[in-house]
Amino acid sequence: KNQVEQSPQSLIILEGKNCTLQCNYTVSPFSNLRWYKQDTGRGPVSLTIMTFSENTKSNGRYTATLDADTKQSSLHITASQLSDSASYICVVSEIVKNGGSQGNLIFGKGTKLSVKP
Amino acid sequence: NAGVTQTPKFQVLKTGQSMTLQCAQDMNHNSMYWYRQDPGMGLRLIYYSASEGTTDKGEVPNGYNVSRLNKREFSLRLESAAPSQTSVYFCASSSIGGSEQYFGPGTRLTVT
Repeated sequence: KNQVEQSPQSLIILEGKNCTLQCNYTVSPFSNLRWYKQDTGRGPVSLTIMTFSENTKSNGRYTATLDADTKQSSLHITASQLSDSASYICVVSEIVKNGGSQGNLIFGKGTKLSVKP
Repeated sequence: NAGVTQTPKFQVLKTGQSMTLQCAQDMNHNSMYWYRQDPGMGLRLIYYSASEGTTDKGEVPNGYNVSRLNKREFSLRLESAAPSQTSVYFCASSSIGGSEQYFGPGTRLTVT
């Protein structure tokens, strides 16, 4: 079964520090990999979308990397802020054979990040 | 632009009761989706609508029905609620299937 595994499950860091979140996937073939940020009690918000041919993509202090050969992605957060406290979800879009305009999204369980002052 | 809106924000039902969760988007998107999010699990797709007039089952459709009322609105109905349907429900939309999805704020449903 296609899976998306994220680590660590949770992480506590001090404000101003950097951190890296990991995502390993077995989805194949896939069209893109996405990282979402979900604040407590809110819906997920897209941070980055990378196609299988892209290695890195940045969005402000967030930088995502993708290694399609090893099926690994990471999300690096630089100079963390209190507002970065949230769950970060890795999502892989599976290519659906036989038409399927939906494209099947496989969601990871997320990494819960807490940034402390 | 309000984006994706959902009503209600919270709901408590008794087992066997029915209700409809409403979702609307003002981004002129073709595709809309209903997900559920349970503790310790990733979001799971219940139903989706690739375009106005079409709906398809997702990963966990049992116990739910949907209606794509028009291009803006996509509702999710629980005909006979069960405790296993206690969850947070998210509606999302995208311009086309496979493109970036925009999520609503969610509906927290408790079935007792």
